[in-house]
Amino acid sequence: GENVEQHPSTLSVQEGDSAVIKCTYSDSASNYFPWYKQELGKRPQLIIDIRSNVGEKKDQRIAVTLNKTAKHFSLHITETQPEDSAVYFCAASDIGNDMRFGAGTRLTVKP
Amino acid sequence: DAMVIQNPRYQVTQFGKPVTLSCSQTLNHNVMYWYQQKSSQAPKLLFHYYDKDFNNEADTPDNFQSRRPNTSFCFLDIRSPGLGDAAMYLCATSRAGTGVYNEQFFGPGTRLTVL
Repeated sequence: GENVEQHPSTLSVQEGDSAVIKCTYSDSASNYFPWYKQELGKRPQLIIDIRSNVGEKKDQRIAVTLNKTAKHFSLHITETQPEDSAVYFCAASDIGNDMRFGAGTRLTVKP
Repeated sequence: DAMVIQNPRYQVTQFGKPVTLSCSQTLNHNVMYWYQQKSSQAPKLLFHYYDKDFNNEADTPDNFQSRRPNTSFCFLDIRSPGLGDAAMYLCATSRAGTGVYNEQFFGPGTRLTVL
């Protein structure tokens, strides 16, 4: 089955700096890679996703890149703000609908 | 507008006392999932329904069962809750089909406390 590894587990940046979170996956059949943001006590919220037929996708300050050959994908947040502080999860799934989450990254943006 | 609804939001039960958590959706999605999330951990998939087909994860304990009486509703039954079952339980839905990628929509979760 799919195995998703996520690094780092914690990340602290200064407001305005960029943050990068990286994930690797094991199943070459995986074709959908979402990123979720979860604030304390709340549900995971999809912030961006990428399909396997695309190498990069950007939405304002957030971008995701995918390297299918190397089986890794990354989340990039630019111009970070204190409200970006949360736990971020990457995930990977295939057409079989099973989604596997990474262990999560706790991002802290210091004002 | 609520899309994935979970009830109750907070559930307290006693050790060994059966409990049922419910999830409903207004999205008409054909796939519904149950996840268990413990503090500071990633959501862990327990099982999912693809239409009426039940798919159990290999490591989901027998103590956990699920029912999906219709498209809109899905239930999680914990037959004999133990202290280790205290967690947030998240329901999610997605629309699956040929050429459709399975973005999942999560409910607000039910926090289960076992005394």
